[in-house]
Amino acid sequence: EAQVTQNPRYLITVTGKKLTVTCSQNMNHEYMSWYRQDPGLGLRQIYYSMNVEVTDKGDVPEGYKVSRKEKRNFPLILESPSPNQTSLYFCASNRGLGYGYTFGSGTRLTVV
Amino acid sequence: GESVGLHLPTLSVQEGDNSIINCAYSNSASDYFIWYKQESGKGPQFIIDIRSNMDKRQGQRVTVLLNKTVKHLSLQIAATQPGDSAVYFCAENNHGSGNTGKLIFGQGTTLQVKP
Repeated sequence: EAQVTQNPRYLITVTGKKLTVTCSQNMNHEYMSWYRQDPGLGLRQIYYSMNVEVTDKGDVPEGYKVSRKEKRNFPLILESPSPNQTSLYFCASNRGLGYGYTFGSGTRLTVV
Repeated sequence: GESVGLHLPTLSVQEGDNSIINCAYSNSASDYFIWYKQESGKGPQFIIDIRSNMDKRQGQRVTVLLNKTVKHLSLQIAATQPGDSAVYFCAENNHGSGNTGKLIFGQGTTLQVKP
C-alpha cells in the first residue's frame, strides 16, 4: 500500500530534550515536506526536500532541522524543543510540481 | 501576499442535501488546486484536484469548480452523508521561489452533517 509513515503518533517531552520524528514513504517520491498544524493558523510548511541531500526552509523553520540521506526517509529533528513547538505535525510527499500530497497520519507533540 | 482562504469556517447541512464549500485564492499564477478532507485524528486525505486548463471536474459524489476570473474554487458534495463530516481544505500549488512541490493551504471549513 502506498503510504507515508511517521512515528511516533504521540509524544510528550520536556523542554530542551532533543527528539526526532521519523517519516518514510514507499512511493519513490522526490518531494517531501513537513508541516505543522495549529488552530487558527492552518497548515504551515516547516522544511521541504526536493531530492536526496537537497533540503530548504519552508515558512516556519526556526527550531527545526531535517535531513534527506535516502529518498524514502525525511526525519524532523528538534534539537532543543520549546513549548511553542507543541503542535500536530504532518509529513507529506509528492512527485513534485502539479501533484497532490500524500500525508502521514500525524504526530501530536507536546513540549512541557 | 499569497493566501488561500475559505469563506466559511463552519457549514452545517442536513443529511441527503448537497454541500458547497468555497475557497478564494490570491495567486493568479497558480495552476493546480486540490481539495483535502481531514477527519478528526487523521491526516488530510486527497479528495479531488483540478488544473487551471479546466473549469470543472467530477469525481464520485464530488465536483470541483474553478473560476479563474474571480480566483474562486468550490467543492460540491452531492447527497451529503454523515461520513462526510470533516474539515475540508483547499490548496494551491505555489510556483514561487523554486519550491515547486509546495502546496499552500486554506484555513479549512468544518462540515457538519445533521441526521
